Amino acid sequence: KAGVTQTPRYLIKTRGQQVTLSCSPISGHRSVSWYQQTPGQGLQFLFEYFSETQRNKGNFPGRFSGRQFSNSRSEMNVSTLELGDSALYLCASSLNRGRTGELFFGEGSRLTVL
Amino acid sequence: AQSVTQLDSQVPVFEEAPVELRCNYSSSVSVYLFWYVQYPNQGLQLLLKYLSGSTLVKGINGFEAEFNKSQTSFHLRKPSVHISDTAEYFCAVSPNSGNTPLVFGKGTRLSVIA
Repeated sequence: KAGVTQTPRYLIKTRGQQVTLSCSPISGHRSVSWYQQTPGQGLQFLFEYFSETQRNKGNFPGRFSGRQFSNSRSEMNVSTLELGDSALYLCASSLNRGRTGELFFGEGSRLTVL
Repeated sequence: AQSVTQLDSQVPVFEEAPVELRCNYSSSVSVYLFWYVQYPNQGLQLLLKYLSGSTLVKGINGFEAEFNKSQTSFHLRKPSVHISDTAEYFCAVSPNSGNTPLVFGKGTRLSVIA
């Protein structure tokens, strides 16, 4: 069974540009969550999607957005990139929304903003 | 709202020695507790979780954790570590009702020395 797949794994952008990251969850998983990981702040929750609807949103500016498609694949977009957006962006999937279950993480997309 | 404090950012330990990684949480409601591990250049994977029942929880790779409600702690232990345990460990919490996202601590980097 394939795990969570994130693309691209690495990317370099300059300030002001925008970026789109993709996440394919484990087959059958309907919930997708996104986290930003930085050395200073650890993992911070960005948003969660379930059945193509955003169900939860973290405390990030509107430059951060996302969506989920009917096949549960998800994308997140960051517009007008800032230096502070440099981070590892992790996607996690789970069967449903309940918190008793396990989150399965991808290897992440490492974004560097110059 | 919930919060997690991992008391040590780095823990060096010699191979075959015991280790304890400390985690304290804050919450006004009952919680579920988790420990995740992140090996270099990989995503996070679940080590163990406490949902209810016995306060001593056993996980993969010989790790265990004990839930202490009065001290609001969920410390992770292993009696004898291996070089392969070198990784970053994250404690996480969520309320035991509703669909609030997991809140992670900032992580503890465990370095096992030969």
